[in-house]
Amino acid sequence: DGGITQSPKYLFRKEGQNVTLSCEQNLNHDAMYWYRQDPGQGLRLIYYSQIVNDFQKGDIAEGYSVSREKKESFPLTVTSAQKNPTAFYLCASSRTGSGANVLTFGAGSRLTVL
Amino acid sequence: AQSVTQLGSHVSVSEGALVLLRCNYSSSVPPYLFWYVQYPNQGLQLLLKYTSAATLVKGINGFEAEFKKSETSFHLTKPSAHMSDAAEYFCAVSPPFDQKVTFGIGTKLQVIP
Repeated sequence: DGGITQSPKYLFRKEGQNVTLSCEQNLNHDAMYWYRQDPGQGLRLIYYSQIVNDFQKGDIAEGYSVSREKKESFPLTVTSAQKNPTAFYLCASSRTGSGANVLTFGAGSRLTVL
Repeated sequence: AQSVTQLGSHVSVSEGALVLLRCNYSSSVPPYLFWYVQYPNQGLQLLLKYTSAATLVKGINGFEAEFKKSETSFHLTKPSAHMSDAAEYFCAVSPPFDQKVTFGIGTKLQVIP
């Protein structure tokens, strides 16, 4: 079945460490997204990519980095510069040019900084 | 710039009662609008979408929403709540042919037996 796979589901990190969250899709979607979810704050856009080798900052990109070397993959690195990284991270993908950005989401990765 | 405002971070209804979740949007161009649902510790799934066709949109699980341009609203309704409707609901907005999708803060729906 087509879908989005995020890994790991749970991740613990010590302060000062970088960590990379994986996101893979087999939907043949051109666009991919990373959102951060915190209680009471909804989903906030970190980065999105409309095509391979190109990506744009979202509303809260500071302390994060991404790459888009393959259409299927859009990993997110949470760097030590992110001051409050504990959150639930959601990856999504969509078609482009279809006139309506219907997002398909992965199951999420929960990052806890110890 | 685009944004959505969801009024009421928590809503409680009795089983069998009407569900009404409110969403108002702000957009510089006629937007596309969406409602998504999230069950605990899962990703989001699409309930319904508005893409400038019919203003009354029907979605899955008996939900529907009406686009009202004069009120800049896109409220979600269901005539009769079921226990399985307990979840968090998110309204989202996107300008046409722009990949950026902006979400509201979400509304947690509690269904009381």
